[in-house]
Amino acid sequence: KQEVTQIPAALSVPEGENLVLNCSFTDSAIYNLQWFRQDPGKGLTSLLLIQSSQREQTSGRLNASLDKSSGRSTLYIAASQPGDSATYLCAVKKGSNYKLTFGKGTLLTVNP
Amino acid sequence: GAVVSQHPSRVICKSGTSVKIECRSLDFQATTMFWYRQFPKQSLMLMATSNEGSKATYEQGVEKDKFLINHASLTLSTLTVTSAHPEDSSFYICSARGQPGQGTYEQYFGPGTRLTVT
Repeated sequence: KQEVTQIPAALSVPEGENLVLNCSFTDSAIYNLQWFRQDPGKGLTSLLLIQSSQREQTSGRLNASLDKSSGRSTLYIAASQPGDSATYLCAVKKGSNYKLTFGKGTLLTVNP
Repeated sequence: GAVVSQHPSRVICKSGTSVKIECRSLDFQATTMFWYRQFPKQSLMLMATSNEGSKATYEQGVEKDKFLINHASLTLSTLTVTSAHPEDSSFYICSARGQPGQGTYEQYFGPGTRLTVT
């Protein structure tokens, strides 16, 4: 059974800092990995999706890497802003028709 | 594109009553819809997967007679929590997926529905 772990559970940083969020998964046989953002009381917004054959994806200040063999992914946020404050969720999928398995998320607070 | 809505966003109901939550794909046809439940500081747990026109497939431990799912059209799925109890209070999120090869094959999530059972 796939298990997804995210460390740290919570992170507080001053504005402008670069930061890294971590995600690990127990079964390396994944189809893709996705990072989401969830604001309090809201649904999920997809940030980045990495296919199993890819090593990283970038969107603006966000960069996600994937090391499938070691079962790890990182989400790098450059020059953090207060608007980045949210919970960041990592999810993996075993195949195109398979369900997403989520981690518990990392609650990020960026202080002005 | 690929917008999913949910209604209502918040609902409070009394113990023993039933409540219906709607999930709509606004600009694409969703052949598959997923229903998740999220407790505070916990990850999203998949409850069931429904394909349009078919019976939903429930995850282990989810009572199908308590959580009724209907996916009668390509743009609408409903989740009905029957005989709700306080322990059913949670955040319910749906997601929708289109057809392969049509650019909407990944899951797109709705904004969620906060259910409080008193």
